[in-house]
Amino acid sequence: QSALTQPASVSGSPGQSITVSCTGTSSDVGAYNYVSWYQQYPGEAPKFIIYDVTHRPSGISDRFSGSKSGNTASLTISGLQAEDEADYYCSSYSSSRTLVFGTGTKVTVL
Amino acid sequence: EVQVAESGGGLVQPGGSLRLSCEVSGFTFSSYTMHWVRQAPGKGLEYVSGIDSHGGNTYSADSVKGRFTISRDNSKNMLFLQMDGLRLEDMAVYYCAKGFYPFNYFYMDVWGKGTTVTVSS
Repeated sequence: QSALTQPASVSGSPGQSITVSCTGTSSDVGAYNYVSWYQQYPGEAPKFIIYDVTHRPSGISDRFSGSKSGNTASLTISGLQAEDEADYYCSSYSSSRTLVFGTGTKVTVL
Repeated sequence: EVQVAESGGGLVQPGGSLRLSCEVSGFTFSSYTMHWVRQAPGKGLEYVSGIDSHGGNTYSADSVKGRFTISRDNSKNMLFLQMDGLRLEDMAVYYCAKGFYPFNYFYMDVWGKGTTVTVSS
C-alpha cells in the first residue's frame, strides 16, 4: 500500500493550463478506473473534484479534467485562476481492497 | 444539508486508546459506505479505514490493521474508530468522510472538519 507518486509542486500563470501527474502501479491506478482527485486548501477538509478518472461531481468547474494512461493518472486545470492555488491529491482503489492516496501536489499560481 | 462531524480527538500517551465518533445528518446513513482518512501535521492524506453500509465489511490500511477498528451504528447515524496501541506516527487530524453514492466504496464526497489526535508522553 505505497502512496501514489505525485510531483511536490506545479506552478503556472493565470490563464495557463497545468497538469498534475499521479503514478501508481499495475495493482492500483493501472488496474482500475477508480481514480479520483481532491482539492485541499490549508486548514480545510479536502474537496472531491474528479471521480472515475474523468468525471466531475455536480458543481465542479469544467476547468478541471482528468485522464489516465497505463499506471499514470493526470489532473489538468485549464484557465488557471488564483483560487486554484491549493494542494491536490489523487486516490485509487487498489488490489489490497483499500484506497490509496497520492503524495500530494502543491499548485501555485504565479 | 448533508453534514458529518467528528469528535473524540485529544491527547493520549503512546500505547493508549482513543475512540473517535462521527455524527452524520442529511442523508440515509444506512445506504452509504463511510471512511476515516488522516493527515499528519504538514503531511499528505492517508487512508485509514472504511466500512460498508451495513457494517458487514471493513477495509483498513496495513499501518492500522490489528490496532484500529471501524464500526457504525445505523440506528444512531454514527460512525466510530476505536484506536488502540496508539503510536507517535498516529498523530494526525482524522477526517470522517461519506461515500459518494449509495453502496459506493471508491470515493468520498462529503468530509467533516476533522478531529485532532495528539500522541505524546
